Amino acid sequence: GAGVSQSPSNKVTEKGKDVELRCDPISGHTALYWYRQSLGQGLEFLIYFQGNSAPDKSGLPSDRFSAERTGGSVSTLTIQRTQQEDSAVYLCARLRGAGANVLTFGAGSRLTVL
Amino acid sequence: LAKTTQPISMDSYEGQEVNITCSHNNIATNDYITWYQQFPSQGPRFIIQGYKTKVTNEVASLFIPADRKSSTLSLPRVSLSDTAVYYCLVGEEYNQGGKLIFGQGTELSVKP
Repeated sequence: GAGVSQSPSNKVTEKGKDVELRCDPISGHTALYWYRQSLGQGLEFLIYFQGNSAPDKSGLPSDRFSAERTGGSVSTLTIQRTQQEDSAVYLCARLRGAGANVLTFGAGSRLTVL
Repeated sequence: LAKTTQPISMDSYEGQEVNITCSHNNIATNDYITWYQQFPSQGPRFIIQGYKTKVTNEVASLFIPADRKSSTLSLPRVSLSDTAVYYCLVGEEYNQGGKLIFGQGTELSVKP
C-alpha cells in the first residue's frame, strides 16, 4: 500500500548549520504530520498540514523550526542554526484513508548535531 | 484535546496475555481510540482502532467501556517479538486529523 518516504534517513551536521528534512506521502493530498522523537522518549507533535496549510504551528519548538508543504504533497521541515538538543529522529506521517485518524509513518530521519 | 495516560512500562513472559490500559477522561463524542506499536529505529505502526465496546483483529483486541474514559489493549499469548512501545491515541474528527498528540507510551518487555 501507499507509504511515506523520508529523506535523508541519516543526517550528521555541525552546530549552527541549517538542515532540511523531506517527507513524501507518496499518495499525496492527505493530512501530513511531523513528530520528533528524542532518544528514549515519546513522540513530540511538531506540526500538521491540511493540504498546504498548517492550522496549528504551536508544536514547533522554536522559531528556528519551520515547515512547508507544496502541491498538497511533499513537505519540508527546516531547522536553522541547529543546536545539539535538536538531535532526534524526525518522523513524518500521513493520514490513512480508512478509518479515523489512522497514521502511516515513514521510517524517520535521524538528525545528529555535533 | 483528550489527554491520555498509560503505564510507563510493563513486563511479561512469553505465552501470557498482556493488557495495557489507557486513561482518557476527557474524551470527546467524536473521538476514536487508536493504538500503535513502535519497535526501535522504526516509526509507529497501527494496531487497532475502536469507538466503543470491543474490537478484535488478527493482532489484538481493544476493550472500551460504556463511558469511554479508558481503553484496554489486549495482546494474546505474547512472544519476544511483541517487545515494543505501545501508544494510545485519542483523535478528532473522522479523516480530518486535527492535532494528534501521543501520550508517553508503554514500554512492554516480553521475557523468555
